[in-house]
Amino acid sequence: EVQLVESGGGLIQPGGFLRLSCAVSGFTFSNYVMSWVRQAPGKGLEWVSDISPGGDSTDDADSVRGRFTISRDNSKNTLYLQMNSLRAEDTAIYYCANRLSGYFFDYWGQGTLVTVSS
Amino acid sequence: QSALTQPRSVSGSPGQSVAISCTGTNSDVGGYNYVSWYQHHPGKAPKLMIYDVSKRPSGVPDRFSGSKSGNTASLTISGLQAEDEADYYCCSYAGIYTWVFGGGTKLTVL
Repeated sequence: EVQLVESGGGLIQPGGFLRLSCAVSGFTFSNYVMSWVRQAPGKGLEWVSDISPGGDSTDDADSVRGRFTISRDNSKNTLYLQMNSLRAEDTAIYYCANRLSGYFFDYWGQGTLVTVSS
Repeated sequence: QSALTQPRSVSGSPGQSVAISCTGTNSDVGGYNYVSWYQHHPGKAPKLMIYDVSKRPSGVPDRFSGSKSGNTASLTISGLQAEDEADYYCCSYAGIYTWVFGGGTKLTVL
């Protein structure tokens, strides 16, 4: 069974930093592109970042470029999102998702809530 | 990238059919045959329902179908069932390894 479990969310002050994790099982992690997608309260989904199977290539949305860094540890089957210089508008549920080779997200986790507020 | 436009809500009675539209631009929906649809029950993990405009993953009932015309994609659910009540999101590849989602549509089964 494919499982993706996010963790690391919480309440953080503006300007602060947080690292999210996504532990996966049930598929060969190192074969998949991995992504972060977020959903702000009352809003739709927003793609955040992608990382290649080997971790050597990343892509980011304009809204987070330069502040967020996606990374992965294939030996630990874990995906990360380092979030720096957090803003109120980064408040959202953050989901991790996998992508084998197509232009769609195969499986998703249940998300972890990040709240940026003073 | 601006979000794709979806109706905020749709509704239908059990057994009926409903369609959810998703409108983008030539740079996303109209430019690629890479539209996907996701079902989301709040608090749960989103689930892939349709990919590449009209393809269904294994395990998704054939009551769910997708199509596209120009800059607008559609998800049609026929033979509505109570468990179909959820939020539905469209997504399109937008070039240079970026993706854009819709604002989501709440489906109510009356």
